[in-house]
Amino acid sequence: DGGITQSPKYLFRKEGQNVTLSCEQNLNHDAMYWYRQDPGQGLRLIYYSQIVNDFQKGDIAEGYSVSREKKESFPLTVTSAQKNPTAFYLCASSTSGQYGNTIYFGEGSWLTVV
Amino acid sequence: GQNIDQPTEMTATEGAIVQINCTYQTSGFNGLFWYQQHAGEAPTFLSYNVLDGLEEKGRFSSFLSRSKGYSYLLLKELQMKDSASYLCAVEYGSYKLIFGSGTRLLVRP
Repeated sequence: DGGITQSPKYLFRKEGQNVTLSCEQNLNHDAMYWYRQDPGQGLRLIYYSQIVNDFQKGDIAEGYSVSREKKESFPLTVTSAQKNPTAFYLCASSTSGQYGNTIYFGEGSWLTVV
Repeated sequence: GQNIDQPTEMTATEGAIVQINCTYQTSGFNGLFWYQQHAGEAPTFLSYNVLDGLEEKGRFSSFLSRSKGYSYLLLKELQMKDSASYLCAVEYGSYKLIFGSGTRLLVRP
């Protein structure tokens, strides 16, 4: 089945730790994204990548880092510099088609700081 | 800056019709999307509008007026499973998408 796979679903981070969230897609989409969602709020863009080996900062990139070494993969590292990382993280991908540049989401990852 | 406004919460009765409004102010416009998000899950794509008018898709319809910066999502024959948040999103540039905070819809028996 085609789709976007995120792992882990649930992750706990200690203060001062870096953690990496995995995102893999087999939809052959060029663009990939990372969004953060806090309770009762909309999605905020962390980073996005249009092509391999290139990525751009979104609205809230501070304290996060990404890489795009392969078209299928776009991992997100939440660094210790991110002071309030507890949130729901969504990876997404898109390609231009009948419905414009529609974004499709993975299942999401819950990150909690303990 | 870019801005999208949606009502925070709405309540409706099973079998009824509900309209969820969305207004936006953005520096550009490439298209407007509606997503459904159940609690604790990822958003799923519902509809896309790029031209003015109504797009119908089964029980769901979406309307757009670009001159007014306005859209609505119409849900007919409401079912309990329609209880979810509905997110309005506008693509205002290449790969630039802004999401509203979402409207939480509660469907009651």
